[in-house]
Amino acid sequence: EIVLTQSPATLSLSPGERATLSCRASQSVSTSLGWYQQKPGQSPRLLIYHASNRATGIPARFSGSGSGTDFTLTISSLEPEDFAVYYCRQRRSWPLITFGGGTKVEIK
Amino acid sequence: EVQLVESGGGLVQPGRSLRLSCAASGFPFEDYAMHWVRQVPGKDLEWVSGLSWSSDVIAYADSVKGRFTVSRDNAERSLYLQMNSLRADDTAVYYCATLGDYGFDYWGPGTLVTVSS
Repeated sequence: EIVLTQSPATLSLSPGERATLSCRASQSVSTSLGWYQQKPGQSPRLLIYHASNRATGIPARFSGSGSGTDFTLTISSLEPEDFAVYYCRQRRSWPLITFGGGTKVEIK
Repeated sequence: EVQLVESGGGLVQPGRSLRLSCAASGFPFEDYAMHWVRQVPGKDLEWVSGLSWSSDVIAYADSVKGRFTVSRDNAERSLYLQMNSLRADDTAVYYCATLGDYGFDYWGPGTLVTVSS
């Protein structure tokens, strides 16, 4: 099973600041990695697929990078609606899919 | 518009069974693999099971293998999860999702399963 480790667990930032979230895979997933945003009471929403492609309707302030085992989600300038929990997910071992443990981005 | 709607959740005693359903609309259901993902409220996401469009490829998380069975009916545009021998740690919100490639990623609102005596 491919294990995804996200860091940090919590990120305390102010609106307008840059957020950098990390996801590390226990073995190479190539670029078969996506990022989700989840707000309380809502289903996860896909932000990034194939490591660096923004999903439909996702603002340009969200960007993804990386390949192999190390990936980064960057939010260039935090908006109030961006404070949420973010998960990475790999589908390299489809149909077995795994999610990371999440990073909570909270208001400082 | 793609829609996925889960049903069948509720309160069930440990050791009993429950069957979840997911009704799909707005996309060619028969062409896409489908998955179940669960989440204990306030905790992280856990992939549970997935199956290919034709049901010839099926996979389960180790935590549910041997107890849960996933199936689909393409004519009815429905996905199912038969959950047997339920345990307290199966308590979670269960989501039906496409988790497709190239951004084809849609989730239902989820259905809560509570396993408790």
